Amino acid sequence: ILNVEQSPQSLHVQEGDSTNFTCSFPSSNFYALHWYRWETAKSPEALFVMTLNGDEKKKGRISATLNTKEGYSYLYIKGSQPEDSATYLCAFPGTTSGTYKYIFGTGTRLKVLA
Amino acid sequence: ETGVTQTPRHLVMGMTNKKSLKCEQHLGHNAMYWYKQSAKKPLELMFVYNFKEQTENNSVPSRFSPECPNSSHLFLHLHTLQPEDSALYLCASSQVFRGDYGNTIYFGEGSWLTVV
Repeated sequence: ILNVEQSPQSLHVQEGDSTNFTCSFPSSNFYALHWYRWETAKSPEALFVMTLNGDEKKKGRISATLNTKEGYSYLYIKGSQPEDSATYLCAFPGTTSGTYKYIFGTGTRLKVLA
Repeated sequence: ETGVTQTPRHLVMGMTNKKSLKCEQHLGHNAMYWYKQSAKKPLELMFVYNFKEQTENNSVPSRFSPECPNSSHLFLHLHTLQPEDSALYLCASSQVFRGDYGNTIYFGEGSWLTVV
């Protein structure tokens, strides 16, 4: 059974603080690692798709790194703003017989306090 | 607007009712998914359809019955549900190529289901 773990479960930071959270996944049979942001009352929105060991992706103040050998990815937010408040999900695609199954972690719920 | 539309957004049903959730994607994708989000649990994959064929049933009780008449539409038929089935049901779609896991999943905004 694939297990995708995220930590911490929730986080409160002050506006302007930088923060990071972790996604851990099985290091064997790696295919890709997806990060999503899920704001309340909206649909989850893709942030990054990471496929290569050592990959680093960046979108504005948000960046992510990937270590496939040890099975983890970090998501960083620099200078957090209230609009960054959301649940951040990572997803690890697994497959059996060619079926595409994206297994999600429980998410990290971020609250940025103004 | 993600290109994936779900209706209804909210549904309250009794345990003996029959209702359906509808999903439509306008992205030309070949795969569609149903996920369930219960409180304090991760998004749970329920069903996967590739090219209208069901390729995954993640041990979902038979009171949930999916239907995929074409690659743009996906239904979840609900019958004799239990109060513990109350949750947010998310539909998603993606373009899948064999061996390629780099394609983004696009989600709808979900259907909130309450079973009374």
